[in-house]
Amino acid sequence: EADIYQTPRYLVIGTGKKITLECSQTMGHDKMYWYQQDPGMELHLIHYSYGVNSTEKGDLSSESTVSRIRTEHFPLTLESARPSHTSQYLCASRLQGTSTDTQYFGPGTRLTVL
Amino acid sequence: QKEVEQDPGPLSVPEGAIVSLNCTYSNSAFQYFMWYRQYSRKGPELLMYTYSSGNKEDGRFTAQVDKSSKYISLFIRDSQPSDSATYLCAMKAAGNKLTFGGGTRVLVKP
Repeated sequence: EADIYQTPRYLVIGTGKKITLECSQTMGHDKMYWYQQDPGMELHLIHYSYGVNSTEKGDLSSESTVSRIRTEHFPLTLESARPSHTSQYLCASRLQGTSTDTQYFGPGTRLTVL
Repeated sequence: QKEVEQDPGPLSVPEGAIVSLNCTYSNSAFQYFMWYRQYSRKGPELLMYTYSSGNKEDGRFTAQVDKSSKYISLFIRDSQPSDSATYLCAMKAAGNKLTFGGGTRVLVKP
């Protein structure tokens, strides 16, 4: 089982609140990713990082921001949550240089914005 | 049109049956093909990885890639209730990010 953790697992908050979704991995992976997944829909990449102090936006536009100050930690922040942000957020990591693109996923954070 | 198409299901089969899943894609640059399994309220986990065309077998699972038809398949033999999950195909070109299908929900009935 992959050593990648996400907290909280479930979050229900009101509109306008600032939230941070935590993601940590203990595998020493340099590449980390955030995906958004709505029920029955494909995963959409919203942010990724290839290492410390490196962050890029993904394919799906998102109002969230990320930071990568430490290798093992890749938090995602929403400054002002809205109902349209309601979704599941999945964090993943991968080791640079591996022959396969084995992304290890965390359990996800299910966010509901009222 | 989506780059990767996958029937959402649900696909319901009796225990012991063969489960057949597939995805079609449009990007001829895709070279790496993966199948992930996702249980309810969990993150996806990698099941099978295939590079380019051909077949790959791992226990009860067989992955097939037909690049000429832009079509990939996953077969699950002797299906078990514990195989009930959503199966996601994913693929990428060299150096690029993964593109996922929408997933097929599979239900194996005892």
